[in-house]
Amino acid sequence: DIQMTQSPSSLSASVGDRVTITCRASQSISSYLNWYQQKPGKAPKLLIYAASSLQSGVPSRFSGSGSGTDFTLTISSLQPEDFATYYCQQSYITLFTFGPGTKVDIK
Amino acid sequence: EVQLVESGGGLVKPGGSLRLSCAASGFTFSNAWMNWVRQAPGKGLEWVGRIKSKTDGGTTDYAAPVKGRFTISRDDSKNTLYLQMNSLKTEDTAVYYCTTAGQYYDTSGYRHWGQGTLVTVSS
Repeated sequence: DIQMTQSPSSLSASVGDRVTITCRASQSISSYLNWYQQKPGKAPKLLIYAASSLQSGVPSRFSGSGSGTDFTLTISSLQPEDFATYYCQQSYITLFTFGPGTKVDIK
Repeated sequence: EVQLVESGGGLVKPGGSLRLSCAASGFTFSNAWMNWVRQAPGKGLEWVGRIKSKTDGGTTDYAAPVKGRFTISRDDSKNTLYLQMNSLKTEDTAVYYCTTAGQYYDTSGYRHWGQGTLVTVSS
């Protein structure tokens, strides 16, 4: 199975900050990497697919990059509604494992 | 509008069984690969398993912790996905989500999620 790690596990930031979250795969997954946002008590929401493609309806302040084993999710200017937990997921090989998550909260 | 509505969660004793359902609408269910993802209280997301469309073979895949105990099936005539859970353990306690990429390839991320149904395994 492919193992996914994320860093940091949590971070505190202010509205307007640029935030970067890193995801690493235990082996190359090409660009088969997705990012989700989850708020408490809600289902996850797809933000980015195929490493860098923005899902329809997602604000352009979210962007993704990377290929192979190392990926990043960037929020260019953090907004109040962005405080949430973010998960990466590899979709290269079944099982489509998720990373452990990064919680973004208010500084 | 795509809708996925899970049902069937509840309290069950260790060793017991439960069947979850996911009623789908707003897309061509028979063409979609369907998945179950779970989330233990206060924990992260865990991929449970998947069933392909019948045209793609209808085969299933499972995560190691549930293989041999859980069975995913589908009834395309009812637009419904199922998760039969047997020999339940306390560590199976979680919110179970039904999810799909819909009309897109499964590899392009899960665009649609249900609201989740809570399964609690406790004596």
